[in-house]
Amino acid sequence: GESVGLHLPTLSVQEGDNSIINCAYSNSASDYFIWYKQESGKGPQFIIDIRSNMDKRQGQRVTVLLNKTVKHLSLQIAATQPGDSAVYFCAENGRGYSTLTFGKGTMLLVSP
Amino acid sequence: SQTIHQWPATLVQPVGSPLSLECTVEGTSNPNLYWYRQAAGRGLQLLFYSVGIGQISSEVPQNLSASRPQDRQFILSSKKLLLSDSGFYLCAWSLGANTEAFFGQGTRLTVV
Repeated sequence: GESVGLHLPTLSVQEGDNSIINCAYSNSASDYFIWYKQESGKGPQFIIDIRSNMDKRQGQRVTVLLNKTVKHLSLQIAATQPGDSAVYFCAENGRGYSTLTFGKGTMLLVSP
Repeated sequence: SQTIHQWPATLVQPVGSPLSLECTVEGTSNPNLYWYRQAAGRGLQLLFYSVGIGQISSEVPQNLSASRPQDRQFILSSKKLLLSDSGFYLCAWSLGANTEAFFGQGTRLTVV
């Protein structure tokens, strides 16, 4: 079936570095993508989203890139901080009603 | 502003006992509502979603059921819990297709 998956289960970076978290999706009909951050024991928190008619979107310290040709999504975090340590999920919506399909997640560990 | 409340935060229940988890949303009308389950170290699996009062769609066959007795209330239930029902249960809401979903803080359920 269709799925969303991540390349790296754990990413370790130093404080101040830029982080890149990658995600591959398989449903070519997906037209909306979201990145979530989840801290231990908490619900996922929305970071940034992008629609399929765009290939780049920027937020505060974060950038999402979408490559529809190879069905790849990435989240870039600039000047990573210890507070960025969390699990990051990509999610896609290929249907109505925001029935998001989530990837397995990448753990980002930021060392001071 | 909109808020979502989910309770309890943690729950330990014996095998065979019933379950009722409640989720309420404030500050919005006619939201789409969702129940997700998250196994340890894994992504989120959609269990149920609802686009209106009394309307429930089930995504996977399981030992659980959902109900929406009021516009902003979503309940997850089971008549008899199984060990495999243990997990982190998350309620979420959104305003429709291709919009972000907002999550509650989750309920950690341990079936013993």
